[in-house]
Amino acid sequence: EVQLVESGGGLVQPGGSQRLSCAASGFTFSTYAMSWVRQAPGKGLEWVSGISDSGGGTYYADSVKGRFTISRDNSKNTLYLQMNSLRAEDTAIYYCAKATYSGTYASDYWGQGTLVTVSS
Amino acid sequence: DIQMTQSPSSLSASVGDRVTITCRASQTISSYLNWYQQKPGKAPKLLIYAASNLRSGVPSRFSGSGSGTDFTLTISSLQPEDFATYYCQQSYSTSWTFGQGTKVEIK
Repeated sequence: EVQLVESGGGLVQPGGSQRLSCAASGFTFSTYAMSWVRQAPGKGLEWVSGISDSGGGTYYADSVKGRFTISRDNSKNTLYLQMNSLRAEDTAIYYCAKATYSGTYASDYWGQGTLVTVSS
Repeated sequence: DIQMTQSPSSLSASVGDRVTITCRASQTISSYLNWYQQKPGKAPKLLIYAASNLRSGVPSRFSGSGSGTDFTLTISSLQPEDFATYYCQQSYSTSWTFGQGTKVEIK
């Protein structure tokens, strides 16, 4: 059974940093691209960042480019999101998602999410 | 970035109704279009990938169509468990984007 478990959320002050983790199990982690998607309270989904299976390719939404860094440790089956210079508008539930390719990339499994609140 | 626009933003429908949601891309995305369902307090679930392919285990009342810039998600006969918010998403570019969502409510 595929499982994705996010951790690392919490309350952080504006301008601060936070690192999210996503522990994966139930599939061969090193052979799948992964992504982070967030959802601000009461709002829609926003794709944040993606990473290739090897980690050699990383991609970001304009809203986080230069502030967030996605990475992965395939030996630990873990995905990360390092978030720096956090702003109030970064407050959201952050989901990690596994990507599959069948004619297009799609996120076929999602974690339960971890809440990041940016506030003083 | 490629912008995705869904319509309507919300709709009210009854059990048994046929429901259609549209998604338009700001530039051509071939068939690199996916549809997700999200219920309150839950993570999204993949319904349709590559515009028209039903994910295994998803009821056949869900279908998708379209290519290029215009896409449609259809629920042929709305069931009580289908009341949720639906999102389209493009994966044509390396910067994926979602539509703003369509909330399907009970009439």
